[in-house]
Amino acid sequence: AQSVTQLDSQVPVFEEAPVELRCNYSSSVSVYLFWYVQYPNQGLQLLLKYLSGSTLVESINGFEAEFNKSQTSFHLRKPSVHISDTAEYFCAVSDLGGSYIPTFGRGTSLIVHP
Amino acid sequence: DSGVTQTPKHLITATGQRVTLRCSPRSGDLSVYWYQQSLDQGLQFLIQYYNGEERAKGNILERFSAQQFPDLHSELNLSSLELGDSALYFCASSGEGWGTDTQYFGPGTRLTVL
Repeated sequence: AQSVTQLDSQVPVFEEAPVELRCNYSSSVSVYLFWYVQYPNQGLQLLLKYLSGSTLVESINGFEAEFNKSQTSFHLRKPSVHISDTAEYFCAVSDLGGSYIPTFGRGTSLIVHP
Repeated sequence: DSGVTQTPKHLITATGQRVTLRCSPRSGDLSVYWYQQSLDQGLQFLIQYYNGEERAKGNILERFSAQQFPDLHSELNLSSLELGDSALYFCASSGEGWGTDTQYFGPGTRLTVL
């Protein structure tokens, strides 16, 4: 069985500053990794995912995440955040040997201040 | 708009009652997932259906049940409600229900048990 740890429950940052949201996972088999974003009063939506190939994956709105197998991490980064990035961010992992149901982390609340 | 619809948006009921939450997946998606989101438990997977059949079960209580109908919409039934069942209930859908799938989440149903 896999598990996901999002080390920070809340990350405050000023607009145009860089940000990193941390995600570590544990699994005994190969995994697929996801970042979802939840804006206030909405459902989750996919931000980006790693399935295979290049360990650096990018989203259309400037976020990127890097799969690091040795450190079992999939941290999310953005070089310059906007007020509109204020949201809850969830890391999720599903493993190739299990039921394919993703396990979600507890979420990190990104708060962007003007 | 993810294409996943959920009704009702809000539901207020009393302890001991029974409620039904409804979900219509995105057009073409065969798999439906139900999640419970609360402040203390985070996002918890409840159950998955694929093309009318139960595929995976998570932390779903015996008081809860679900089904997926031939037209692929799904219902989650919650009975003998307790105060602790107050939460946001999300439905998500995906194409084939595999680990590589992107899940598309509905806007959720907020259940309040008084």
